[in-house]
Amino acid sequence: EAQVTQNPRYLITVTGKKLTVTCSQNMNHEYMSWYRQDPGLGLRQIYYSMNVEVTDKGDVPEGYKVSRKEKRNFPLILESPSPNQTSLYFCASSPRVTDNSPLHFGNGTRLTVT
Amino acid sequence: TQLLEQSPQFLSIQEGENLTVYCNSSSVFSSLQWYRQEPGEGPVLLVTVVTGGEVKKLKRLTFQFGDARKDSSLHITAAQPGDTGLYLCAGVDNYGQNFVFGPGTRLSVLP
Repeated sequence: EAQVTQNPRYLITVTGKKLTVTCSQNMNHEYMSWYRQDPGLGLRQIYYSMNVEVTDKGDVPEGYKVSRKEKRNFPLILESPSPNQTSLYFCASSPRVTDNSPLHFGNGTRLTVT
Repeated sequence: TQLLEQSPQFLSIQEGENLTVYCNSSSVFSSLQWYRQEPGEGPVLLVTVVTGGEVKKLKRLTFQFGDARKDSSLHITAAQPGDTGLYLCAGVDNYGQNFVFGPGTRLSVLP
């Protein structure tokens, strides 16, 4: 089944403890992206990647890192999480950035930093 | 930077009513996509409008792309509680390198 898989679905951690949220897609998509969504708000882009070894900052990259060493995986790394990074995170992928390429979203990761 | 604006931000209506939500930009987009996000889940693509003036229908949902390709609307006829969710519009930026999203319209349809 074609899908975007995020892990974990839920994560509670403490301030300063490094964590990684994994994202994997099995559709050979070139484009991948991370978003955060806070209560009552829309999506804010953290980082995106047009292809392997190509990553760019989105609107809210501070406090986050990503890597794209292989096409299928796009992990989100929080080196030193803080409470203001408590949020719902979504990973998405698309064949490429064109008009007729839909974005496929994962099921989300709900992160709580205490 | 191309921006997409959406209105209204929030909309609460009774079951059976009709509604229209809007997606606007000062920039031309070659196409616009509409997504619906239900609580706790990822957004799901509803439709892509590509041609200026184009109208697409998806059951009770009617999508229109403006003639100048700077705006789009979503009209829902006889809304149902299952239509509740966040409606997002999105497009490809001028450089063809990234997708940009509007802030969304949060719709609540009360039974």
